[in-house]
Amino acid sequence: DSGVTQTPKHLITATGQRVTLRCSPRSGDLSVYWYQQSLDQGLQFLIQYYNGEERAKGNILERFSAQQFPDLHSELNLSSLELGDSALYFCASSVGNRRYEQYFGPGTRLTVT
Amino acid sequence: DQQVKQNSPSLSVQEGRISILNCDYTNSMFDYFLWYKKYPAEGPTFLISISSIKDKNEDGRFTVFLNKSAKHLSLHIVPSQPGDSAVYFCAASLNTGNQFYFGTGTSLTVIP
Repeated sequence: DSGVTQTPKHLITATGQRVTLRCSPRSGDLSVYWYQQSLDQGLQFLIQYYNGEERAKGNILERFSAQQFPDLHSELNLSSLELGDSALYFCASSVGNRRYEQYFGPGTRLTVT
Repeated sequence: DQQVKQNSPSLSVQEGRISILNCDYTNSMFDYFLWYKKYPAEGPTFLISISSIKDKNEDGRFTVFLNKSAKHLSLHIVPSQPGDSAVYFCAASLNTGNQFYFGTGTSLTVIP
């Protein structure tokens, strides 16, 4: 158990809909990262927050947004969902702002039908 | 643009033998590298890391080697155990950034 929790574990929704994925980092970790893993793909970095502020942005679509709240939990919002958004979404946390080992949650499997 | 590549999707090794997992990268500005292990239905777990100022880092049965001139790193597992069967991802980061770039993973099967 990494100490990172993600909810829900599974999510099935239709195209065009909007969903919110939630992540609680390990106690004491200030950084939260979001990754997307599509079928047969590596983990694609989406976005990082550090202590409530956005610190790095990867290949995140404009339809996707995230935020980190004062209690350090984070939410990833996916809107106007398309079939291609079906993937595993991982959240990770780390102590520092960068260059530290990241601890991953179990992931949320999103299926868009 | 895949900056970190793991060209072997799968690897099978006999228990007790050495497992060697390889990773290549294209960006010479990467200066920190990590290996993660992932079991089905779980998130990746940090295994071992290496800074570009080193060429080797060892932790128990796991050793990571870095060849900067070849832009290549490898993970050696000796001796391999059935519990090592998992997908292994390598990842790299830039000195100036917070982003980690992951490879596509190698599925290791250790045969008892």
